[in-house]
Amino acid sequence: DAKTTQPNSMESNEEEPVHLPCNHSTISGTDYIHWYRQLPSQGPEYVIHGLTSNVNNRMASLAIAEDRKSSTLILHRATLRDAAVYYCILTENTDKLIFGTGTRLQVFP
Amino acid sequence: DGGITQSPKYLFRKEGQNVTLSCEQNLNHDAMYWYRQDPGQGLRLIYYSQIVNDFQKGDIAEGYSVSREKKESFPLTVTSAQKNPTAFYLCASSIDPSGGYNEQFFGPGTRLTVL
Repeated sequence: DAKTTQPNSMESNEEEPVHLPCNHSTISGTDYIHWYRQLPSQGPEYVIHGLTSNVNNRMASLAIAEDRKSSTLILHRATLRDAAVYYCILTENTDKLIFGTGTRLQVFP
Repeated sequence: DGGITQSPKYLFRKEGQNVTLSCEQNLNHDAMYWYRQDPGQGLRLIYYSQIVNDFQKGDIAEGYSVSREKKESFPLTVTSAQKNPTAFYLCASSIDPSGGYNEQFFGPGTRLTVL
C-alpha cells in the first residue's frame, strides 16, 4: 500500500507558484521522499527527491518538514506544461516505487 | 540519445492469446521494472529485475512472465491466464536497484487492448 496521502486535485493559474502537499506520517528514518509527475498518456517523469534537507533543482523545490511526516513540492512558476498528475512516493533501501493515485494539477491560462 | 524504448505504442490482441511487450534501454542500467496502469489509477508493479538472469515478482505478477537474458532488454509476456489484460503498460529502469535514492526512467508505454 502507498504510504503517502495527497489531495486528489489542485488548481493554479499560469505563472503563479504551486505548493503540492504530501503527508507521510509513518515514514521511517531511511525512507527517501520522491516526486514523479505523469502527463496524459505518457510515462512518469522524475521530478525531485530528498531525505531530510530541502532540495532544489531546475524543475522544482522540495520542502521537507522537520519531523519528516510531511513534505511539499513547490513549482515556482506554473506553466501549462506543468499540468499533470503528481505522485509523492517513499522508498526504503530499494528503488521500487509504490504509486498512489497522486494529485491532478490543473493550470489555467 | 540514451533512453528507454517500448514497442509497439498500441497493441490489439484477441482474448486467449499470449502477447509479448518489448522494453529496451541503452542507459547501462542494472535494474528494470514493469508496471501496469489502469484508468484513473497509479502504477502497480508487475515484475522487476535487479541483474541479468534474475527477476522478482511485484505486487500483481499473476498472469505475466518476464525474462532478462540481456542487460538492455526486459520483455514482458501477458499470458492468457491474465484475467483483465487491457491496460497501459510501462517499463522503467534505474542505475542501481538498492539504496532508494536512484531515479527511475520510464519508457513511453504500450497500450494493450484485448478484444
